[in-house]
Amino acid sequence: NAGVTQTPKFQVLKTGQSMTLQCAQDMNHEYMSWYRQDPGMGLRLIHYSVGAGITDQGEVPNGYNVSRSTTEDFPLRLLSAAPSQTSVYFCASRGKPGRGGTEAFFGQGTRLTVV
Amino acid sequence: QKEVEQDPGPLSVPEGAIVSLNCTYSNSAFQYFMWYRQYSRKGPELLMYTYSSGNKEDGRFTAQVDKSSKYISLFIRDSQPSDSATYLCAMSLGTPNDYKLSFGAGTTVTVRA
Repeated sequence: NAGVTQTPKFQVLKTGQSMTLQCAQDMNHEYMSWYRQDPGMGLRLIHYSVGAGITDQGEVPNGYNVSRSTTEDFPLRLLSAAPSQTSVYFCASRGKPGRGGTEAFFGQGTRLTVV
Repeated sequence: QKEVEQDPGPLSVPEGAIVSLNCTYSNSAFQYFMWYRQYSRKGPELLMYTYSSGNKEDGRFTAQVDKSSKYISLFIRDSQPSDSATYLCAMSLGTPNDYKLSFGAGTTVTVRA
């Protein structure tokens, strides 16, 4: 059971380069999200999607784009990398919340360094 | 002011000690409270969750929610070196259309053998 799969695990970019972080889940979850994790800042929401074709901005969306063409995939695009985007990126998926909510499953993370 | 406040520590305790972690929050509408555990270089994994106020116990772990004080706690009894990790609190409204989780900054815990 794969759960949430992120690729790549590590990446070094030069300032101004673009790239796409891949995320796929096999749990048929409606909700998918991208977070970045920085020391002392916790997990900050970048973008999220409540279903195929529907995306919205989170807390720190600038410099990132997302799309959701299928239920399974939710790629994150860095348009023009900046050193401030050096971080660990996590993709998460969650089923339809009912009363009390449901567990969020996280990928293993992508460590991105922008030089 | 952040919606969820959590002291990042770090916290270092000897093996066998009780670890006490807590978070405060400002949104009184939160109903669903979670604790995630994150080992180094891994993604967070759900450890425990509680709905509304009260206590929940699972083995050596106890989660407490005090909604009147907007304060949640996680206690780890008889701590082991394998409990060394970062612990993040998370909260949500728990309503049918609410998908978002609000996270604390995470507290890094080291249990010394």
